[in-house]
Amino acid sequence: KAGVTQTPRYLIKTRGQQVTLSCSPISGHRSVSWYQQTPGQGLQFLFEYFSETQRNKGNFPGRFSGRQFSNSRSEMNVSTLELGDSALYLCASSLVGPSGGELFFGEGSRLTVL
Amino acid sequence: QKEVEQDPGPLSVPEGAIVSLNCTYSNSAFQYFMWYRQYSRKGPELLMYTYSSGNKEDGRFTAQVDKSSKYISLFIRDSQPSDSATYLCAMSLRWGGSNYKLTFGKGTLLTVNP
Repeated sequence: KAGVTQTPRYLIKTRGQQVTLSCSPISGHRSVSWYQQTPGQGLQFLFEYFSETQRNKGNFPGRFSGRQFSNSRSEMNVSTLELGDSALYLCASSLVGPSGGELFFGEGSRLTVL
Repeated sequence: QKEVEQDPGPLSVPEGAIVSLNCTYSNSAFQYFMWYRQYSRKGPELLMYTYSSGNKEDGRFTAQVDKSSKYISLFIRDSQPSDSATYLCAMSLRWGGSNYKLTFGKGTLLTVNP
């Protein structure tokens, strides 16, 4: 069965722009989580969506937002990009959520902000 | 003190060596413990998952949890060059109905030399 698909895989933006990243979870998975990965901070939780509702949120500013559609596909948006937003953004899907269960990660979207 | 501490390495070993990877944590409420493996330019994949103190074995991999010492380990026997990757520990706890907290270590970069 197909894995988690993230698009685009690579993108370059300039400060002040906004970006939208897309994630298609494994078929049947209703939970989608987003993480930011940087060498300095490691994997940091952004938010989790379950059945189109944001169920949990990490400690990121309001410039980071997301949504989930009825088919479980999810998008995250970062507005007013800053240099520090350069990172690998990972999407992970699971059947019911990451509370002790297995997360299936996509390959990530690598964002570079110039 | 960070909730989860993991030595970032890098760790370089010869093929066939026994590898020991470790994480310590400060929050005694963590209930579930995981190890993820992340190859370069890929998303993390679940390697081991456990929720109790003691050892869990899967092939060449053994996960060890010591809740009294707040310490988890991953042992790799007969290491292979294909084991070269970043290993991330992760731990989670549930609170409330569907709320959870999943925290990753920063990862240890392992290289197994032929």
